[in-house]
Amino acid sequence: TQLLEQSPQFLSIQEGENLTVYCNSSSVFSSLQWYRQEPGEGPVLLVTVVTGGEVKKLKRLTFQFGDARKDSSLHITAAQPGDTGLYLCAGAGSYGKLTFGQGTILTVHP
Amino acid sequence: GAGVSQSPSNKVTEKGKDVELRCDPISGHTALYWYRQSLGQGLEFLIYFQGNSAPDKSGLPSDRFSAERTGGSVSTLTIQRTQQEDSAVYLCASSSSGMETQYFGPGTRLLVL
Repeated sequence: TQLLEQSPQFLSIQEGENLTVYCNSSSVFSSLQWYRQEPGEGPVLLVTVVTGGEVKKLKRLTFQFGDARKDSSLHITAAQPGDTGLYLCAGAGSYGKLTFGQGTILTVHP
Repeated sequence: GAGVSQSPSNKVTEKGKDVELRCDPISGHTALYWYRQSLGQGLEFLIYFQGNSAPDKSGLPSDRFSAERTGGSVSTLTIQRTQQEDSAVYLCASSSSGMETQYFGPGTRLLVL
């Protein structure tokens, strides 16, 4: 069974601080994805990483994929209250089926 | 709207009753997925459709759960003889093909009393 371990589970920070969320897999997926989910809505895709060592930037968000394609991180610079939400990593398997980590609930206080 | 829609948005039922949850995928999307999100288990895959066929049903937790898709579009997830542990948010997602970006609906919040 492929598993994704995500940490930390909860993160409460002040506006302007930096943070990192980690996602570690017991095996290799064809791709790894990061989602953000707000209350009452479904997850929304932020980024997909495919190649080992890959780094992608989305404004203040930086995503890294480990060389062995088993671990990934999401780094947010100068967090803002609008970044508050549930962040999920997910590995894509056969048919595109997603295996999700447990999620990180981020709260950014003004 | 052009997104994935689900109905009902909320459902409260009594233990032992049957429920049907509906998903309308994005028009033209051939792949459709059902997931379940609960506090204890996180977000879990239930079933995958390609067209009207379900090549992967491995996530359905018991034979009380079934799903169908008709006309390559609308899908219905049915839970028979609901139990309290079935309480969760049921999410549907669709994609243009099996390996493309999945777009999620807002989910159906099911509460079994």
